[in-house]
Amino acid sequence: GAVVSQHPSRVICKSGTSVKIECRSLDFQATTMFWYRQFPKQSLMLMATSNEGSKATYEQGVEKDKFLINHASLTLSTLTVTSAHPEDSSFYICSATVSGGTDTQYFGPGTRLTVL
Amino acid sequence: LAKTTQPISMDSYEGQEVNITCSHNNIATNDYITWYQQFPSQGPRFIIQGYKTKVTNEVASLFIPADRKSSTLSLPRVSLSDTAVYYCLVGDIRGNKLVFGAGTILRVKS
Repeated sequence: GAVVSQHPSRVICKSGTSVKIECRSLDFQATTMFWYRQFPKQSLMLMATSNEGSKATYEQGVEKDKFLINHASLTLSTLTVTSAHPEDSSFYICSATVSGGTDTQYFGPGTRLTVL
Repeated sequence: LAKTTQPISMDSYEGQEVNITCSHNNIATNDYITWYQQFPSQGPRFIIQGYKTKVTNEVASLFIPADRKSSTLSLPRVSLSDTAVYYCLVGDIRGNKLVFGAGTILRVKS
């Protein structure tokens, strides 16, 4: 149980294009999902907290117009990197909490974004 | 959010027990302690979570002293496949927000 998936697992795009990453909770409903970014040999950095049916809460220094987050249902949250640039190349990871339990965060497998 | 401090790296050999200690002096009353394992290019994997005393599951044990200012993750009889980064996180269950520290790089050698 508590499986989180991400799609795509890796994406390569040209500079200036937008990329959408999906995060799904497969066997549970997730009221809250989180988006992280991880650069090589560094720890995970929280980007934003996504709550179903409401606007995402972004961490300081994260541009909300650059990283669009939509949490339209209890099992799906999407992160869109708009007008991507090479410096946006990173490993993006989502997590979801199991509502009603201990609210442990379960993480997706991650999405490797490379912007050329 | 309580800050955590862990050793940067640890080395061990196959079959040994590994104990990784995490300091969290500013832990709050509502905070739980959670440990994750991460392999390169993968998302973190939940290992164990606790509030106080001792918690054990099929992969690890978590020891938390009475003052809760530290915790120790114990991995019994490690194998080469346990080589990974281990993160200790402290957070309010109700708030859910977690902040990752640098983690501990565990290297298991044969």
